[in-house]
Amino acid sequence: GAVVSQHPSWVICKSGTSVKIECRSLDFQATTMFWYRQFPKQSLMLMATSNEGSKATYEQGVEKDKFLINHASLTLSTLTVTSAHPEDSSFYICSAARGGGSNTEAFFGQGTRLTVV
Amino acid sequence: AQSVTQLGSHVSVSEGALVLLRCNYSSSVPPYLFWYVQYPNQGLQLLLKYTSAATLVKGINGFEAEFKKSETSFHLTKPSAHMSDAAEYFCAVKGSGGYQKVTFGTGTKLQVIP
Repeated sequence: GAVVSQHPSWVICKSGTSVKIECRSLDFQATTMFWYRQFPKQSLMLMATSNEGSKATYEQGVEKDKFLINHASLTLSTLTVTSAHPEDSSFYICSAARGGGSNTEAFFGQGTRLTVV
Repeated sequence: AQSVTQLGSHVSVSEGALVLLRCNYSSSVPPYLFWYVQYPNQGLQLLLKYTSAATLVKGINGFEAEFKKSETSFHLTKPSAHMSDAAEYFCAVKGSGGYQKVTFGTGTKLQVIP
């Protein structure tokens, strides 16, 4: 199966600093990548859809200036949490879409546990 | 618009017993349906998916699910639970036309009792 690598797997940062999370599709090109957030004991909530070479589409209620998404190549998307605060502590998961039309399938990274202290 | 509802946030079964995790969907277009498993502090792994072919879908680790349009259901089953099946399971749906976002259910945590 296709492999999506997310880095780092966990990070602890001080309040007010920024953190960058990388999502790479290792063996396929992904024109579309997705970023999810998962609070403890809750489901995944889509934050934004990232298309290579264009601006990300954010879901309602997600601050685009706080969660900066860059999808500069077909194999890499990054999520930067700017001026992080403790309430941003969460599990962030990316997925990359492979294929097209009815054969499109999403593959998930292993997630990044962000703790803001 | 599409959504999935997972009945039961926690399910406990004895080792060797039948596993049944329930999922009902709502979709304005023919849906694609998925079951994912998540182990603690890990990402999601696809168990199986329904994409309008056979209504009974077999996945990995002995799991299967049946798409029932009349009941708008896509329940996940496994004949005999194993300790390693203890995890959180998510049902998900997306529209079948082109690439659309995946909407996840709230998850069901499966506990397997020895």
